[in-house]
Amino acid sequence: ILNVEQSPQSLHVQEGDSTNFTCSFPSSNFYALHWYRWETAKSPEALFVMTLNGDEKKKGRISATLNTKEGYSYLYIKGSQPEDSATYLCAPSGSARQLTFGSGTQLTVLP
Amino acid sequence: DAGVIQSPRHEVTEMGQEVTLRCKPISGHDYLFWYRQTMMRGLELLIYFNNNVPIDDSGMPEDRFSAKMPNASFSTLKIQPSEPRDSAVYFCASSFLGQGSMDEQFFGPGTRLTVL
Repeated sequence: ILNVEQSPQSLHVQEGDSTNFTCSFPSSNFYALHWYRWETAKSPEALFVMTLNGDEKKKGRISATLNTKEGYSYLYIKGSQPEDSATYLCAPSGSARQLTFGSGTQLTVLP
Repeated sequence: DAGVIQSPRHEVTEMGQEVTLRCKPISGHDYLFWYRQTMMRGLELLIYFNNNVPIDDSGMPEDRFSAKMPNASFSTLKIQPSEPRDSAVYFCASSFLGQGSMDEQFFGPGTRLTVL
């Protein structure tokens, strides 16, 4: 079981603001890092899966970076919109491929 | 594709009763995962299967919990006997590892279990 930390725990931003969150994980026995978006009363949905040090992924206004040597990943949201309000989970996997989810960052975008 | 299907969506039962949760993974996916979500522990992995074979059940809380996958399109998670502390949302997810796959897991809608 991996020790996964996400910060901040919660975040309130104004519509149009850009924001970012952090995911920290052990750098040993690393296989991949997953980011999920989880809206209230729905199921988690995959945003990104990254495996290589220095990887950057982008989907619309959301992007993520990965540093496997120091064990962290950043998720960025540019120009936040109310529909971005959700909990963002990161989950590293080791060689056994099962995910260990962090506790998430709960984002609220105020109109 | 309909996505991962779970049933029932809600289950209310009394302590001591047997509870069976069901999952149909996405067709063609060879991995199936059972998770439990609670306020205290967040989203935790209970057990996962590869090609219908259980690979790691170290997350199963105790012997009252059991899971089976008799074929590629169906899995069950059983709790017998159920206890109030088992109240949680149980998610099933599936994925495939192959060409074109990013290995992301696709989650079902979850089953909200309440044990009185």
